[in-house]
Amino acid sequence: QVQLQQWGAGLLKPSETLSLTCVVYGGSFSGYYWSWIRQSPGKGLEWIGEIDYSGSTNFNLSLKSRVTVSLDTSKNHLSLKLASVTAADTAVYYCARSGPATPYYMDVWGKGTTVTVSS
Amino acid sequence: DIQMTQSPSSVSASVGDRVTITCRASQGIGSWLAWYQQKPGKAPNLLIYTASSLQSGVPSRFSGSGSGTDFTLTISSLQPEDFATYYCQQAKGFPLTFGGGTRVKIK
Repeated sequence: QVQLQQWGAGLLKPSETLSLTCVVYGGSFSGYYWSWIRQSPGKGLEWIGEIDYSGSTNFNLSLKSRVTVSLDTSKNHLSLKLASVTAADTAVYYCARSGPATPYYMDVWGKGTTVTVSS
Repeated sequence: DIQMTQSPSSVSASVGDRVTITCRASQGIGSWLAWYQQKPGKAPNLLIYTASSLQSGVPSRFSGSGSGTDFTLTISSLQPEDFATYYCQQAKGFPLTFGGGTRVKIK
């Protein structure tokens, strides 16, 4: 059974870079897309972007200029970096898997990491 | 971006009730729609994809219908574990977008 375990810094100051990691246990990167999604009380669920095994990416244009998503297939790691954070980036961040049976629908999720941006 | 609008925002129901939640897309999305259930402090859980396909392991009391711009999630007989918030998500185009959620509460 595939499980996603995620971690990262939970408290950031404005202008810092958010950095999260998601590890895939019990499965492979190959054949799937790996997404980052965030959830805040103000904006609900917001899809940030995705990457596949080959490194092909798609991003939410509203965040694209600040987002970096990468894979380390040797470690089964998925990473998210979000630069120049503000209070508006305060949210619970999730990593999630989609495809091939459910393309563009997220069938496995991490437990979420709460990130707070405050001076 | 494709906007997803859910109604109602909350509904109160009793165990055994039939519950229907609606999701409307701002433009036609074919059958590119999913439904998720989320409980407090947990990640969303995929229930339905491509509008009407039941995800493996999801009870058959959950069903989805619709195409184009109007979609429905139905819980045929509400169970105690079904009290949660439900979200729709379109997969027709990037960015993937979600509805604002419908909270199913105990009456």
